[in-house]
Amino acid sequence: AQKVTQAQTEISVVEKEDVTLDCVYETRDTTYYLFWYKQPPSGELVFLIRRNSFDEQNEISGRYSWNFQKSTSSFNFTITASQVVDSAVYFCALSDDSWGKLQFGAGTQVVVTP
Amino acid sequence: GAVVSQHPSWVICKSGTSVKIECRSLDFQATTMFWYRQFPKQSLMLMATSNEGSKATYEQGVEKDKFLINHASLTLSTLTVTSAHPEDSSFYICSAHVQGRNSPLHFGNGTRLTVT
Repeated sequence: AQKVTQAQTEISVVEKEDVTLDCVYETRDTTYYLFWYKQPPSGELVFLIRRNSFDEQNEISGRYSWNFQKSTSSFNFTITASQVVDSAVYFCALSDDSWGKLQFGAGTQVVVTP
Repeated sequence: GAVVSQHPSWVICKSGTSVKIECRSLDFQATTMFWYRQFPKQSLMLMATSNEGSKATYEQGVEKDKFLINHASLTLSTLTVTSAHPEDSSFYICSAHVQGRNSPLHFGNGTRLTVT
């Protein structure tokens, strides 16, 4: 069975601080996909990244970066120089195919204060 | 880019009535759509997989007679909450994927259902 663990329920930071969100996953599949989504207070899910199990390269997109480590089954997400607009719930998710049956983690609430 | 539209954004209904939620893929065809439910301050849980032209596949514990799913065309899936009760109050969100492309899964903006 698949499982995604986001142990951090809430993280509070002051603007311009870096924040790292942890994501640990469990799966027996050799091919799988990992995702991060942002859910602002308005409720919509904003896609951030999709990574397949064969691509362990870390990725950077602006202030966002991701660290994928198969050895520890982790796919951590870092926001550098956080801003108030980063305040949201962030979900890590796992899929055994690319078609969209996602197993979501519990989510991490990020609160950025000025 | 590909967009998924969900309607309505929010709905309030009385206990015992039925509510229909629409999920449309706006500029692509989606043979498969997914329906998720999110209770306040909780994660998203997959309810069912909606397949165009065939019956939906429901996750364990989801009542198929209560949550009716119809995927009559390649761009529209509907979720009907029948005989709604206050415990059905939740955030319902759909998603769709562009078949055959290495593209991200797109989510609708969600529907907040409140049953009084």
